[in-house]
Amino acid sequence: VQLVGSGGGLIQPGGSLRLSCAASGFSVSTNYMSWVRQAPGKGLEWVSVIHSDGNTDYADSVKGRFIISRDNSNNTLFLQMNSLRAEDTALYFCAKSRLRRSFDIWGQGALVTVSS
Amino acid sequence: IVLTQSPGTLSLSPGERATLSCRASQSISSSYLAWYQQKPGQAPRLLIYGASTRATGIPDRFSGSGSGTDFTLTISRLESEDFAVYYCQHYGSSLRYTFGQGTTLEIK
Repeated sequence: VQLVGSGGGLIQPGGSLRLSCAASGFSVSTNYMSWVRQAPGKGLEWVSVIHSDGNTDYADSVKGRFIISRDNSNNTLFLQMNSLRAEDTALYFCAKSRLRRSFDIWGQGALVTVSS
Repeated sequence: IVLTQSPGTLSLSPGERATLSCRASQSISSSYLAWYQQKPGQAPRLLIYGASTRATGIPDRFSGSGSGTDFTLTISRLESEDFAVYYCQHYGSSLRYTFGQGTTLEIK
């Protein structure tokens, strides 16, 4: 049972980037799946969730700019990040929810750096 | 709901008892309160869910308690691998997730 994230990198302000998170040992389609980020030297911030029924939600800080989605056939979670800002610079973790309430499986994190 | 953790930093020696606090800005269900441990360069690890239930593989020196607005993570006898940052987290009626700002547990 694991999550393997990828897709991070250096991007200019205003640019776009897509993160991926491949799951094994469980199905992303039947679980609540989230993205959680951590700015350098800072704490954890929840970013977005996709429910098992496909509904989505976002933190106010990213609403309208980020889109969470999943590919059930490839058992992969995605985060499309648009209109990136310097304050989006962070390590982005994908995470599986345990009974919706907590996060029991975490990916290793993908570093996103927004800078000119 | 805002989660406030205290202290910000706790300096203790191996073998000592650690008590970490998480206070919610309003009363919350203990079913929706979790604790995590994070070591440098690693993803967080789930320690406690439902305020008091240890996650799979978590040693019994870790325990959680509390209700309403006040929750506590206790490490009964610190071992060297326990020095890390600890976060509490809540899943609210808004269906969103909130983390506390973290407590750093450092070796004295």
